[in-house]
Amino acid sequence: QKEVEQDPGPLSVPEGAIVSLNCTYSNSAFQYFMWYRQYSRKGPELLMYTYSSGNKEDGRFTAQVDKSSKYISLFIRDSQPSDSATYLCAMRMRTGNQFYFGTGTSLTVIP
Amino acid sequence: DADVTQTPRNRITKTGKRIMLECSQTKGHDRMYWYRQDPGLGLRLIYYSFDVKDINKGEISDGYSVSRQAQAKFSLSLESAIPNQTALYFCATSVGGGMGTDTQYFGPGTRLTVL
Repeated sequence: QKEVEQDPGPLSVPEGAIVSLNCTYSNSAFQYFMWYRQYSRKGPELLMYTYSSGNKEDGRFTAQVDKSSKYISLFIRDSQPSDSATYLCAMRMRTGNQFYFGTGTSLTVIP
Repeated sequence: DADVTQTPRNRITKTGKRIMLECSQTKGHDRMYWYRQDPGLGLRLIYYSFDVKDINKGEISDGYSVSRQAQAKFSLSLESAIPNQTALYFCATSVGGGMGTDTQYFGPGTRLTVL
């Protein structure tokens, strides 16, 4: 079983829709959770960062962590064609040196 | 200018050739990483370095070697390239220093094809 599981999609939504992207994980020691956005032929860029459980909002993006269920989510409100990209979740423990990545979910927002 | 740069951006080579991918950063970060990305497998860690004198193997280091020439430079070598090393390679940096908020910053990637 992989440490981090992420549905690869692809996910296709109309412009303006609310998008929900999710990851599950198996290691309860994970404390820090990140979402990266990767455009085609580009490197991943950090989108959201959260610590432990709870919600964090940044503009149209909300990151949610449920440690009891080992489940994290990224919500995109009022989705735009420019949001079309692959979204990767990542996480790490309080100590230790490694980041653990999901395989990414491909999202297309149709105008 | 980009904070993390990689050269070359694209490379096609033949089986058995030695290849070097280079990474430079201007972020002033101590930690540097090399990943490869394959469809359906996500990002897999090849090597990482916490400073010039510290090199560590990652999940899939076989067939690869690295050199940390300076704080800002970290090179990945394929001593004898094979077709299953065809992938997208990313360099990343992070602040490190035990900070809980440590996150990674990625370069633009090198697309390597081994024929």
